[in-house]
Amino acid sequence: KAGVTQTPRYLIKTRGQQVTLSCSPISGHRSVSWYQQTPGQGLQFLFEYFSETQRNKGNFPGRFSGRQFSNSRSEMNVSTLELGDSALYLCASSLAIGTSGRRLVETQYFGPGTRLLVL
Amino acid sequence: AQSVTQPDIHITVSEGASLELRCNYSYGATPYLFWYVQSPGQGLQLLLKYFSGDTLVQGIKGFEAEFKRSQSSFNLRKPSVHWSDAAEYFCAVPFSGGYNKLIFGAGTRLAVHP
Repeated sequence: KAGVTQTPRYLIKTRGQQVTLSCSPISGHRSVSWYQQTPGQGLQFLFEYFSETQRNKGNFPGRFSGRQFSNSRSEMNVSTLELGDSALYLCASSLAIGTSGRRLVETQYFGPGTRLLVL
Repeated sequence: AQSVTQPDIHITVSEGASLELRCNYSYGATPYLFWYVQSPGQGLQLLLKYFSGDTLVQGIKGFEAEFKRSQSSFNLRKPSVHWSDAAEYFCAVPFSGGYNKLIFGAGTRLAVHP
């Protein structure tokens, strides 16, 4: 079974631009989470999508947004890029076998990441 | 609030030596615990996880970890390190108010001397 895939793998943008990153989860997985990794702040949770709905959000400004499609693929968007947005953006997927009413902790499988450099 | 502490930022061991990476957590209830490994320029690979049951958990690549509730620890061990184990290792716990929101430790970077 193919793993989590992320595109593009590398990206260079300039301040003020916007960027869209894509994530395809493992086949059959319905939850997609996004994380930002920087040398200074480490790994930080951005948001999680399940069934095309954001059901969990980290402490990031509104410039960071995401969405999930009916096939569980997800995109995240960062508008008005700042130098501090330079990071490795990791996507993770999980089965999400529980219903929305049950809080289940599941194993997350990570993709290779998209490395974003903002100049 | 949940938190994870990895006290060692860098560790260097000789190839063939044993390894123990420390992880301490703060969690309100019975914790779920994960160890991930990240090679340079790569994503995170799951090494092992603890959800419940046996406190000694076996993972991939010959790694194991032991959950000790009394010490709030989940240390990762390997009896004999290989040069290919050089990487960064992260311990994580889920945020209790969320579904798949993981809180990661700062990571421990492992260097292996030949």
